[in-house]
Amino acid sequence: AQKITQTQPGMFVQEKEAVTLDCTYDTSDQSYGLFWYKQPSSGEMIFLIYQGSYDEQNATEGRYSLNFQKARKSANLVISASQLGDSAMYFCAMRELNDYKLSFGAGTTVTVRA
Amino acid sequence: DTGVSQNPRHKITKRGQNVTFRCDPISEHNRLYWYRQTLGQGPEFLTYFQNEAQLEKSRLLSDRFSAERPKGSFSTLEIQRTEQGDSAMYLCASSPYPRLGKETQYFGPGTRLLVL
Repeated sequence: AQKITQTQPGMFVQEKEAVTLDCTYDTSDQSYGLFWYKQPSSGEMIFLIYQGSYDEQNATEGRYSLNFQKARKSANLVISASQLGDSAMYFCAMRELNDYKLSFGAGTTVTVRA
Repeated sequence: DTGVSQNPRHKITKRGQNVTFRCDPISEHNRLYWYRQTLGQGPEFLTYFQNEAQLEKSRLLSDRFSAERPKGSFSTLEIQRTEQGDSAMYLCASSPYPRLGKETQYFGPGTRLLVL
């Protein structure tokens, strides 16, 4: 069964505007971690932000924030004040309790327009 | 540069040949992971090492695939008798021992394999 679902294959955003990338997940564990990674065309996966299932506040890292809605099992990434360098593929991932591996979604391609 | 490094960055080979990839993790990280990513998809887990011990292998890792991590430092991933379906990006990641339940995996630049 798919553990991570990203329903937006591609998105366009105007420079300096905000964009929200959707991510829903499926787990029966109470303890888990949610991650977002950025993958530019060069291929490297760059860690952006982490949200633990027991964290009471939404995670923020600079221009990145995570809108965590536990009851809905969603962990949407918000990128504020988009920059041309934000153009990349973005992946949502989850690590469940007592598991080592990350389970990734199919990704969302973001293109920032000048 | 103290990040995860992978070599080679690109590899083109003919079907049936053997290939070997290397990953050097961040020095203080004791956990190392290999993932495979095909075009348009997210990475899929292949295998995991804690120090030198290989603790988990995915069903994706057929008997043509073998991974090692001697002395718990760098790791190698070998594919024997390559097939065109092996063409993919092979990503290595490392992480430190979890703190407060948080374990972030840091990825290398990947090795792009093309099997002709």
